[in-house]
This record gives sequence, C-alpha cells and structure tokens, in this order.
Amino acid sequence: AQKVTQAQTEISVVEKEDVTLDCVYETRDTTYYLFWYKQPPSGELVFLIRRNSFDEQNEISGRYSWNFQKSTSSFNFTITASQVVDSAVYFCALSVEEYGNKLVFGAGTILRVKS
Amino acid sequence: NAGVTQTPKFQVLKTGQSMTLQCAQDMNHEYMSWYRQDPGMGLRLIHYSVGAGITDQGEVPNGYNVSRSTTEDFPLRLLSAAPSQTSVYFCASSRLVGTENYGYTFGSGTRLTVV
Repeated sequence: AQKVTQAQTEISVVEKEDVTLDCVYETRDTTYYLFWYKQPPSGELVFLIRRNSFDEQNEISGRYSWNFQKSTSSFNFTITASQVVDSAVYFCALSVEEYGNKLVFGAGTILRVKS
Repeated sequence: NAGVTQTPKFQVLKTGQSMTLQCAQDMNHEYMSWYRQDPGMGLRLIHYSVGAGITDQGEVPNGYNVSRSTTEDFPLRLLSAAPSQTSVYFCASSRLVGTENYGYTFGSGTRLTVV
C-alpha cells in the first residue's frame, strides 16, 4: 500500500526564517511520482512541484527548494526567508505507476509565518 | 482558460436530502477525480474516471455516485446526505499518458454542510 506521512501538523516561524516541511512516503513500486501542493487561506490547491522516482536531483525555484532522497524515502520542502504570504497548508502527495493517476495525500502541514 | 470549474461553492443540506456537485473541465483531460478534505486527514479519493463511460471507486466511495457521460463533466451525487459527509469537496483533472502522472489541476472546492 502507498502512504504519505507529514509528521509536522503545524509549524510557526517568524518572517525571514527558513523552514523545512518534512514528507516521508511508503511504496514498493520502483516508478512513482511525488508532488507538493499549497493550500492558502482562500482554499484552492496550487501545484508546486512534480518529481518522478528516477530523478533525484534537488530542485530550487526562487525561495523554494526540494530535497528528494530515495534512501530515506523523503521528499522535503524548504522555504528560504519565509514571508507572511507563505502561510498556508502544504500537502505532499504520491502516485505510483501501478495505481494509475490516483494521488495519495499526506495529512498536510499548516505553516504560519508571523511578521 | 477556465480550467476546472466546480459548482456550487457552498451548500447546506438537511440530513436525507440528495444533491449533485458539478465539475467541468475544458482541458480535454482524460482523468478526473473527486476528493474530500477533512481536518487532519488530507484529501481522500472518493471516485475517479479515466475517460467517458469509465468510473471506479476510490478510498471512501460509500454514499456517493458518479457518472462520466462526456470528457468534460464529472458530477458527484450524494444519494442521502448524512452529517458525516460535511466536508470540502474537490474535483481534479489531469492528462493520462499511460501510467505517467502529470499532476492534477484542482477546482476551487465545494464546502458542504449537512445538518
């Protein structure tokens, strides 16, 4: 079975701090895809990144970076110099080749950035 | 581009009532799905479809029906609403290329309250 664990229920930081959101996944498949989505207070789900299991390169996009480590089954998300607008719920999700296009989501991490 | 359109945005039902949540996409995506979001549980898959005329159950299908008569539309029917179905419902669509997951586009959600 596939499972995604986001152990951090809620994180509070002060603006300009760096923050890392953890994501640990479980699957026996060798081909799978990992995602991060952001859900701001307005409620919509915003796609942030997609990574397949064969690409372990870390990725940086502006203040966002992702660290994918197959050895520890983790796909962590770091926000550098956090801003109040980063306050949101962040979801990590997994889909596996055998499971088709179905996404399995973690429970989400609430990030609060205070000014 | 409209993307994925969900209606209504808010709905209050009485226990035992039935209703249909509408979902339409204009991206010619083959794959469509319905998720429900409950606090602390992330998003859970209710039903999904890999094309017109093809639907299947997800993780929490009880109490819901779906049909897919066209590529564009994927309505979710609540047969007899129960308080346990109070939730936020998201419709999503994605391209289907073999088993490779290109990520979802989500609708803006429907907040349903059953009293």
